[in-house]
Amino acid sequence: EPEVTQTPSHQVTQMGQEVILRCVPISNHLYFYWYRQILGQKVEFLVSFYNNEISEKSEIFDDQFSVERPDGSNFTLKIRSTKLEDSAMYFCASSEGPGRSLTYEKLFFGSGTQLSVL
Amino acid sequence: GQNIDQPTEMTATEGAIVQINCTYQTSGFNGLFWYQQHAGEAPTFLSYNVLDGLEEKGRFSSFLSRSKGYSYLLLKELQMKDSASYLCAVKQIKAAGNKLTFGGGTRVLVKP
Repeated sequence: EPEVTQTPSHQVTQMGQEVILRCVPISNHLYFYWYRQILGQKVEFLVSFYNNEISEKSEIFDDQFSVERPDGSNFTLKIRSTKLEDSAMYFCASSEGPGRSLTYEKLFFGSGTQLSVL
Repeated sequence: GQNIDQPTEMTATEGAIVQINCTYQTSGFNGLFWYQQHAGEAPTFLSYNVLDGLEEKGRFSSFLSRSKGYSYLLLKELQMKDSASYLCAVKQIKAAGNKLTFGGGTRVLVKP
């Protein structure tokens, strides 16, 4: 089965530093997402991206966060100045475009990037 | 806002059946998903209900009652590998694409 790939699997950074988390969504998918999960807590929506623009974002996704699709395959999440509370597992996900099939509704998640801010 | 509630933890015996309940309160409901998440791994899709009723897929079944804001995931013939967290997630009509709001997850421990 096709999969979403994320790099790196682990990232350690100092508070105040910028980090870029990278994702390669499934090739024929049109919607891309970032979610995060703080240890022991629920999976939280950050942002969705469609047609080269943000379609929805949560209150977590403030000015310190940005997303980009720099080419036809990569999808990145940048945190400009990391805080301790940004430490979490960050999941990229993708899904097909609008349609009637069940597979359209499925989110496929990558294996995540564990971000540790020291 | 949204409210999605599910039990924190359940324990069951190998070979048995476990039912994980999920209740939700949301505007513009447009589907309920169940995902499985093993510790330290990504969530993986299990089931999707948008209409009332039961969806069966092998050992896993999911039920939805929209009028009651209620769903359950039924796991039959439990295996040790089913030990994982099970996440209930709701999709709203206004959400672009498939933005999901997740509950806190139910950790299921399968004992021999």
